[in-house]
Amino acid sequence: QQPVQSPQAVILREGEDAVINCSSSKALYSVHWYRQKHGEAPVFLMILLKGGEQKGHDKISASFNEKKQQSSLYLTASQLSYSGTYFCGTDSSNTGKLIFGQGTTLQVKP
Amino acid sequence: DAGVIQSPRHEVTEMGQEVTLRCKPISGHDYLFWYRQTMMRGLELLIYFNNNVPIDDSGMPEDRFSAKMPNASFSTLKIQPSEPRDSAVYFCASRPGQRGYEQYFGPGTRLTVT
Repeated sequence: QQPVQSPQAVILREGEDAVINCSSSKALYSVHWYRQKHGEAPVFLMILLKGGEQKGHDKISASFNEKKQQSSLYLTASQLSYSGTYFCGTDSSNTGKLIFGQGTTLQVKP
Repeated sequence: DAGVIQSPRHEVTEMGQEVTLRCKPISGHDYLFWYRQTMMRGLELLIYFNNNVPIDDSGMPEDRFSAKMPNASFSTLKIQPSEPRDSAVYFCASRPGQRGYEQYFGPGTRLTVT
């Protein structure tokens, strides 16, 4: 039931791009993306809804393939501030209840 | 707005003691969620409320855990008796609508049970 994220960890240099994937075995109504820095709370990045609507961060983009129950988060021209752990949360019951993936740790180096 | 408020921020207690964690959601938010985060199990949903009513408590680990929301501005998560395996960071989050809305997380309570 828990979505699977890949990769588990990635290390980048500033300015490089990264893609984080989230895959579910269930049909999804929405996918949410959050970033958590060490010792802090998760912070909202983006929502992708079934049907194509999106809400979120202007410097981060994402896609949602409803047929494959997959979502990808695209981080372009990465900055040091992008470092943290990224979580996808999936809603398969259309209640807004989220099940979170295990997280992807991103480290951006100068 | 002050955001979601949780107290205490840190709690250290001995096994067998009762622990009460507190949460004040953002005003006007209809949904409140309690999560537990550990290295081994990640971010787990314990229970959530809609308009102060518990909707889904399937994530509550066992009867030692209980949660209440007596009014729209306050919720508690109680562990009695506490055990070392309950050590974790507990987050409270709130949201204004059913779907299509982001959850706002509180700063968390780091619980250590010795």
